[in-house]
Amino acid sequence: DAKTTQPPSMDCAEGRAANLPCNHSTISGNEYVYWYRQIHSQGPQYIIHGLKNNETNEMASLIITEDRKSSTLILPHATLRDTAVYYCIVRVAGSQGNLIFGKGTKLSVKP
Amino acid sequence: DAGVIQSPRHEVTEMGQEVTLRCKPISGHDYLFWYRQTMMRGLELLIYFNNNVPIDDSGMPEDRFSAKMPNASFSTLKIQPSEPRDSAVYFCACKDGPSVNTGELFFGEGSRLTVL
Repeated sequence: DAKTTQPPSMDCAEGRAANLPCNHSTISGNEYVYWYRQIHSQGPQYIIHGLKNNETNEMASLIITEDRKSSTLILPHATLRDTAVYYCIVRVAGSQGNLIFGKGTKLSVKP
Repeated sequence: DAGVIQSPRHEVTEMGQEVTLRCKPISGHDYLFWYRQTMMRGLELLIYFNNNVPIDDSGMPEDRFSAKMPNASFSTLKIQPSEPRDSAVYFCACKDGPSVNTGELFFGEGSRLTVL
Protein backbone atom coordinates (compact mmCIF):
# COMPACT_ATOMS: atom_id res chain seq x y z
CA ASP A 1 0.00 0.00 0.00
CA ALA A 2 1.12 3.55 -0.71
CA LYS A 3 2.63 5.43 2.18
CA THR A 4 1.04 8.65 3.35
CA THR A 5 2.60 11.74 4.88
CA GLN A 6 0.66 14.07 7.14
CA PRO A 7 1.73 16.98 9.34
CA PRO A 8 1.85 15.85 12.97
CA SER A 9 -0.31 18.69 14.23
CA MET A 10 -2.46 21.64 13.14
CA ASP A 11 -4.49 24.34 14.82
CA CYS A 12 -7.74 25.81 13.58
CA ALA A 13 -10.00 28.55 14.92
CA GLU A 14 -13.51 27.54 15.81
CA GLY A 15 -15.93 28.32 12.98
CA ARG A 16 -13.23 28.43 10.36
CA ALA A 17 -12.51 25.80 7.75
CA ALA A 18 -9.94 23.17 8.68
CA ASN A 19 -7.87 21.97 5.74
CA LEU A 20 -5.88 18.83 6.48
CA PRO A 21 -3.33 17.85 3.85
CA CYS A 22 -2.07 14.39 2.97
CA ASN A 23 0.66 13.39 0.55
CA HIS A 24 0.51 10.01 -1.12
CA SER A 25 2.92 10.43 -4.01
CA THR A 26 3.30 6.68 -4.64
CA ILE A 27 -0.42 6.00 -4.86
CA SER A 28 -1.49 3.51 -7.49
CA GLY A 29 -4.40 3.91 -9.86
CA ASN A 30 -6.62 1.48 -7.98
CA GLU A 31 -5.94 2.78 -4.48
CA TYR A 32 -8.63 4.64 -2.60
CA VAL A 33 -7.97 7.50 -0.18
CA TYR A 34 -9.70 7.11 3.18
CA TRP A 35 -10.01 9.53 6.06
CA TYR A 36 -10.78 8.53 9.63
CA ARG A 37 -10.57 10.47 12.85
CA GLN A 38 -10.14 9.49 16.47
CA ILE A 39 -11.46 11.67 19.23
CA HIS A 40 -9.69 11.18 22.53
CA SER A 41 -10.61 7.93 24.28
CA GLN A 42 -12.93 6.84 21.48
CA GLY A 43 -12.62 4.41 18.59
CA PRO A 44 -11.72 5.71 15.15
CA GLN A 45 -14.59 7.10 13.11
CA TYR A 46 -14.92 6.94 9.35
CA ILE A 47 -15.20 10.32 7.63
CA ILE A 48 -15.01 9.92 3.88
CA HIS A 49 -13.21 8.15 1.07
CA GLY A 50 -12.61 8.63 -2.65
CA LEU A 51 -10.78 7.35 -5.68
CA LYS A 52 -10.42 10.17 -8.22
CA ASN A 53 -13.26 12.63 -7.92
CA ASN A 54 -13.81 15.05 -5.12
CA GLU A 55 -16.30 13.80 -2.56
CA THR A 56 -18.56 15.53 -0.07
CA ASN A 57 -20.76 14.25 2.71
CA GLU A 58 -22.37 15.67 5.81
CA MET A 59 -19.08 15.62 7.70
CA ALA A 60 -16.47 16.83 5.27
CA SER A 61 -15.19 17.29 1.74
CA LEU A 62 -12.31 15.40 0.16
CA ILE A 63 -10.32 17.10 -2.55
CA ILE A 64 -7.97 14.86 -4.55
CA THR A 65 -5.46 16.44 -6.90
CA GLU A 66 -5.62 15.53 -10.56
CA ASP A 67 -2.42 13.50 -10.35
CA ARG A 68 -3.79 11.85 -7.16
CA LYS A 69 -0.51 12.39 -5.34
CA SER A 70 -2.10 14.42 -2.60
CA SER A 71 -5.45 15.18 -1.06
CA THR A 72 -7.04 17.57 1.40
CA LEU A 73 -9.75 16.90 3.91
CA ILE A 74 -11.87 19.96 4.54
CA LEU A 75 -14.03 20.48 7.61
CA PRO A 76 -16.00 23.53 6.47
CA HIS A 77 -16.88 24.98 9.88
CA ALA A 78 -14.72 23.42 12.56
CA THR A 79 -16.12 23.09 16.07
CA LEU A 80 -14.40 22.24 19.33
CA ARG A 81 -15.77 18.72 18.97
CA ASP A 82 -13.71 18.27 15.82
CA THR A 83 -10.53 18.23 17.90
CA ALA A 84 -9.11 14.79 17.12
CA VAL A 85 -6.38 12.86 15.35
CA TYR A 86 -7.13 12.61 11.64
CA TYR A 87 -5.78 9.67 9.67
CA CYS A 88 -5.27 9.61 5.92
CA ILE A 89 -5.00 6.09 4.55
CA VAL A 90 -4.61 4.71 1.04
CA ARG A 91 -5.70 1.22 0.24
CA VAL A 92 -5.66 -1.02 -2.78
CA ALA A 93 -9.14 -1.90 -3.93
CA GLY A 94 -9.97 -5.52 -4.56
CA SER A 95 -7.19 -7.17 -2.55
CA GLN A 96 -7.44 -8.74 0.85
CA GLY A 97 -6.26 -6.88 3.89
CA ASN A 98 -7.06 -4.03 6.13
CA LEU A 99 -6.68 -0.32 6.71
CA ILE A 100 -3.24 0.56 8.07
CA PHE A 101 -3.31 3.59 10.32
CA GLY A 102 -0.26 5.87 10.45
CA LYS A 103 0.37 8.58 13.02
CA GLY A 104 -2.16 11.04 11.60
CA THR A 105 -2.56 14.77 12.22
CA LYS A 106 -3.59 16.05 15.62
CA LEU A 107 -6.09 18.83 14.90
CA SER A 108 -6.74 21.25 17.73
CA VAL A 109 -9.75 23.51 17.26
CA LYS A 110 -9.44 26.56 19.46
CA PRO A 111 -12.14 28.99 20.58
CA ASP B 1 -28.52 0.20 16.20
CA ALA B 2 -26.26 0.13 19.26
CA GLY B 3 -23.09 -0.04 17.24
CA VAL B 4 -20.14 -2.23 18.10
CA ILE B 5 -20.24 -3.26 21.75
CA GLN B 6 -17.06 -4.15 23.59
CA SER B 7 -16.55 -5.39 27.11
CA PRO B 8 -15.02 -4.79 29.50
CA ARG B 9 -14.28 -1.10 28.92
CA HIS B 10 -11.47 -1.23 31.44
CA GLU B 11 -9.52 -4.18 32.77
CA VAL B 12 -6.69 -4.16 35.29
CA THR B 13 -5.00 -7.46 35.92
CA GLU B 14 -1.74 -8.90 37.15
CA MET B 15 0.94 -10.41 35.03
CA GLY B 16 0.28 -14.06 34.29
CA GLN B 17 -3.49 -13.82 34.47
CA GLU B 18 -5.78 -14.69 31.62
CA VAL B 19 -7.63 -11.83 29.95
CA THR B 20 -10.68 -12.18 27.73
CA LEU B 21 -12.01 -9.25 25.72
CA ARG B 22 -15.41 -9.46 24.07
CA CYS B 23 -17.02 -7.90 21.05
CA LYS B 24 -20.51 -7.84 19.63
CA PRO B 25 -20.46 -6.49 16.06
CA ILE B 26 -23.22 -4.68 14.26
CA SER B 27 -25.85 -7.15 13.09
CA GLY B 28 -25.33 -8.18 9.49
CA HIS B 29 -21.73 -7.02 9.25
CA ASP B 30 -19.73 -9.98 8.05
CA TYR B 31 -16.20 -8.67 8.61
CA LEU B 32 -14.80 -8.31 12.11
CA PHE B 33 -11.42 -6.83 13.03
CA TRP B 34 -9.39 -6.70 16.24
CA TYR B 35 -6.96 -3.78 16.56
CA ARG B 36 -4.55 -2.82 19.33
CA GLN B 37 -3.47 0.76 20.03
CA THR B 38 -0.45 1.91 22.02
CA MET B 39 1.37 5.21 22.15
CA MET B 40 4.49 3.66 20.70
CA ARG B 41 3.01 1.65 17.84
CA GLY B 42 -0.28 3.36 17.10
CA LEU B 43 -3.16 1.27 15.74
CA GLU B 44 -2.19 -2.23 14.69
CA LEU B 45 -4.40 -4.88 13.16
CA LEU B 46 -4.21 -8.15 15.06
CA ILE B 47 -6.65 -10.37 13.19
CA TYR B 48 -9.76 -10.20 11.06
CA PHE B 49 -12.63 -12.56 10.32
CA ASN B 50 -15.01 -12.92 7.41
CA ASN B 51 -18.23 -14.82 8.02
CA ASN B 52 -16.80 -16.04 11.35
CA VAL B 53 -13.69 -17.50 9.71
CA PRO B 54 -10.25 -16.07 10.57
CA ILE B 55 -8.73 -14.70 7.37
CA ASP B 56 -5.52 -13.01 8.44
CA ASP B 57 -3.95 -13.44 11.85
CA SER B 58 -0.47 -12.29 10.88
CA GLY B 59 -0.74 -9.36 13.29
CA MET B 60 -1.24 -11.53 16.35
CA PRO B 61 1.94 -10.88 18.32
CA GLU B 62 2.53 -14.37 19.67
CA ASP B 63 0.94 -17.59 20.79
CA ARG B 64 -0.28 -16.01 23.99
CA PHE B 65 -2.93 -14.26 21.89
CA SER B 66 -5.91 -16.08 20.44
CA ALA B 67 -9.17 -14.94 18.90
CA LYS B 68 -12.39 -16.73 18.16
CA MET B 69 -15.68 -15.95 16.50
CA PRO B 70 -18.10 -18.74 17.38
CA ASN B 71 -21.01 -17.00 15.68
CA ALA B 72 -21.86 -13.89 13.73
CA SER B 73 -22.72 -11.87 16.82
CA PHE B 74 -19.81 -12.55 19.11
CA SER B 75 -16.03 -12.58 19.13
CA THR B 76 -13.39 -12.90 21.82
CA LEU B 77 -9.74 -11.96 22.08
CA LYS B 78 -7.87 -13.89 24.74
CA ILE B 79 -4.42 -13.28 26.20
CA GLN B 80 -2.96 -16.08 28.28
CA PRO B 81 -0.74 -15.46 30.15
CA SER B 82 -0.86 -11.66 30.09
CA GLU B 83 2.29 -9.52 30.35
CA PRO B 84 2.79 -5.82 31.15
CA ARG B 85 3.70 -5.12 27.51
CA ASP B 86 0.19 -6.20 26.51
CA SER B 87 -1.16 -3.05 28.15
CA ALA B 88 -3.03 -1.18 25.42
CA VAL B 89 -6.47 -0.25 24.16
CA TYR B 90 -8.00 -3.05 22.13
CA PHE B 91 -10.57 -2.10 19.52
CA CYS B 92 -13.05 -4.27 17.74
CA ALA B 93 -14.36 -3.07 14.37
CA CYS B 94 -16.74 -4.44 11.79
CA LYS B 95 -17.67 -3.86 8.19
CA ASP B 96 -20.50 -4.73 5.90
CA GLY B 97 -19.67 -5.38 2.31
CA PRO B 98 -18.31 -7.73 -0.33
CA SER B 99 -14.78 -6.36 -0.15
CA VAL B 100 -12.67 -5.65 2.87
CA ASN B 101 -11.20 -2.70 1.05
CA THR B 102 -14.16 -0.49 0.27
CA GLY B 103 -16.65 1.02 2.61
CA GLU B 104 -16.20 2.02 6.17
CA LEU B 105 -15.12 0.34 9.35
CA PHE B 106 -17.25 0.81 12.44
CA PHE B 107 -15.23 0.77 15.64
CA GLY B 108 -16.25 0.05 19.18
CA GLU B 109 -15.27 2.22 22.14
CA GLY B 110 -12.35 -0.04 22.98
CA SER B 111 -11.21 -2.07 25.98
CA ARG B 112 -8.40 -0.49 27.95
CA LEU B 113 -6.17 -3.21 29.38
CA THR B 114 -3.59 -2.61 32.07
CA VAL B 115 -1.36 -5.49 33.07
CA LEU B 116 0.58 -4.86 36.28
